[in-house]
Amino acid sequence: AQSVTQLGSHVSVSEGALVLLRCNYSSSVPPYLFWYVQYPNQGLQLLLKYTTGATLVKGINGFEAEFKKSETSFHLTKPSAHMSDAAEYFCAVSPNFGNEKLTFGTGTRLTIIP
Amino acid sequence: DTAVSQTPKYLVTQMGNDKSIKCEQNLGHDTMYWYKQDSKKFLKIMFSYNNKELIINETVPNRFSPKSPDKAHLNLHINSLELGDSAVYFCASSQEGYRYGYTFGSGTRLTVV
Repeated sequence: AQSVTQLGSHVSVSEGALVLLRCNYSSSVPPYLFWYVQYPNQGLQLLLKYTTGATLVKGINGFEAEFKKSETSFHLTKPSAHMSDAAEYFCAVSPNFGNEKLTFGTGTRLTIIP
Repeated sequence: DTAVSQTPKYLVTQMGNDKSIKCEQNLGHDTMYWYKQDSKKFLKIMFSYNNKELIINETVPNRFSPKSPDKAHLNLHINSLELGDSAVYFCASSQEGYRYGYTFGSGTRLTVV
C-alpha cells in the first residue's frame, strides 16, 4: 500500500524567492513518484517524475525534486518563484510495476506574493 | 488536438436525476481512469479500465457505473444523483502509468441541487 503526506496545505512565497513544497511517502515496494500541478479550473499537468536512476529530477517550468530514500521524501523546489507558479500542487506515488493506481497527496496551494 | 477530452465541462442537475460524463483519449493509451476531486481538492480514484477490462473498482456506490466501449473511451454513468456527488470528476489515461504518469482531462464540475 502507498500513501503520500504533503506538509502544508497552503504555502506563500514572495516573487523571486525559493519555492519548497514538501512531500513524504510511504510504500511497501520501491515507489515511482510524481508531482502534478493544477491551475484554476483546469486538469492536472505532470511537472516531473522519478522512476529509476538519478535521484534529482528536473521538470517543466524550472521545477526540480530530489528523491531521498532514507528520508522517504520527494520535495519539490524552484529557485525563484514567478507569479505564474500560483496553483495547486499534488505529490503522487505508485508502485514500480503493473497497473496499480496513482495515490495522491492532499495538495498544497502555492500563493505568490508580488 | 486535445489529448484527453471530457464532456460536459459543467453539469448542474437535480437530486434523483441520472447523468453521464463522457471521456475520450487520442493518445493510444491502453488504460483509462476516473478520479473524483472533492471540495477540499482531495483526489480519489474511482475506476480504472485496461483495454476495456475493469481492473480497479474502489469503494464507490453502485449508482456509479463506468462503461468502456473501446480502449479510447471511458464513460461514467451516475444514477439517482445525491447532493454528496457534487465534485469535479477527472478522466485520465496512461500507458504504463506507473512509469510515465497519467494524462488528465480538464474535468467535469458536477453540481447536484
